[in-house]
Amino acid sequence: GQNIDQPTEMTATEGAIVQINCTYQTSGFNGLFWYQQHAGEAPTFLSYNVLDGLEEKGRFSSFLSRSKGYSYLLLKELQMKDSASYLCAVSVSGGSYIPTFGRGTSLIVHP
Amino acid sequence: SQTIHQWPATLVQPVGSPLSLECTVEGTSNPNLYWYRQAAGRGLQLLFYSVGIGQISSEVPQNLSASRPQDRQFILSSKKLLLSDSGFYLCAWSTRLNTEAFFGQGTRLTVV
Repeated sequence: GQNIDQPTEMTATEGAIVQINCTYQTSGFNGLFWYQQHAGEAPTFLSYNVLDGLEEKGRFSSFLSRSKGYSYLLLKELQMKDSASYLCAVSVSGGSYIPTFGRGTSLIVHP
Repeated sequence: SQTIHQWPATLVQPVGSPLSLECTVEGTSNPNLYWYRQAAGRGLQLLFYSVGIGQISSEVPQNLSASRPQDRQFILSSKKLLLSDSGFYLCAWSTRLNTEAFFGQGTRLTVV
């Protein structure tokens, strides 16, 4: 099975930058997802990393190091609406590439 | 474009009653389909997944079951609900390569 670890909660200030880390232990790694989930809502897709390196999408960037089993989600120019839970998920090759989710990191953005 | 519909949005059911949650996908064919459950303050737990009609794989033993009677329809059922079945249930679909999973809006189930 997969073991995915991320901090339970983080706080940051509006306008700042925050980095949410995710470490994983798995065999047959295929890719890593980041999702955003607002309270009471379904998760929405943010990024998918297959290769090492940084991928940027506007204010959000995601980094992956396969050799270290490590990823982070970087959020710049934080806005109040960024307060949400951020879920890290890993899929493995073989079988159906099903994403297995971590417990999520609850990010609270203060004014 | 592809869309996923899940209903109902909220449900309150007594212990011992049956359950049926339905999920349908539009705009794609042969999707992988998933049912996840999210208990309060916890991560998403995969319950069932399906790669084709009539093909169901269960990830955790429980009193829930799933069926896929049509290519784009996925149903989560129970004959007798338990208090511990309360939670937020999410249906999702992905392409075969699974580069992204798209979620329905979820059903908040409260068993009383």
